[in-house]
Amino acid sequence: IQLTQSPSSLSASVGDRVTITCRASQGISSYLAWYQQKPGKAPKLLIYAASTLQSGVPSRFSGSGSGTDFTLTISSLQPEDFATYYCQQLNSYPHTFGQGTKLEIK
Amino acid sequence: EVQLVESGGGLVQPGGSLRLSCAASGFTFSSYWMSWVRQAPGKGLEWVANIKQDGSEKYYVDSVKGRFTISRDNAKNSLYLQMNSLRAEDTAVYYCARVERIGDIQLWGQGTLVTVSS
Repeated sequence: IQLTQSPSSLSASVGDRVTITCRASQGISSYLAWYQQKPGKAPKLLIYAASTLQSGVPSRFSGSGSGTDFTLTISSLQPEDFATYYCQQLNSYPHTFGQGTKLEIK
Repeated sequence: EVQLVESGGGLVQPGGSLRLSCAASGFTFSSYWMSWVRQAPGKGLEWVANIKQDGSEKYYVDSVKGRFTISRDNAKNSLYLQMNSLRAEDTAVYYCARVERIGDIQLWGQGTLVTVSS
């Protein structure tokens, strides 16, 4: 199963609402996770099961979708949110990642 | 403290072998599936392999099948990745990770760098 994220990069300002999409090449139900990664650091889990917020993650992050189309939304960007975001499908092996979306400061 | 600590990375020639280790602490290691994920320099994340709690099931990405072997020792709270016939494209930071609920990963190690070069 291939995952295609869009856009590959995005420039936005603090306070903006941002949406990143992840499209699967075949249906994966809700078996999708979202991660945030900052340079030189391990990824951080944000969302699992497409829409369940991981404990401790700010509520400005939300996920939605099922089947083949998914979105990660950040309702009001904070300075610490500028990072690279990845989706991962967990429906079947191999547990592929999307190519990533780099979120940069405008 | 709940943590994963990788070791064993380094420089190896093409065709060579390397064994990565991951020491788990602070949780019941034997209760979790475990995973290896890698990231080539400047590139995205790539899932490499998963292993079931008792080692009875193992899954690999196609690019490493037949060359890499994931294993675990629950008595030592340790995860391993034996890497043989290494290629330049295997150069990456390798992360040890604990698999949660539906396969998502909440707990990651700090990563260990493997460089395959002559």
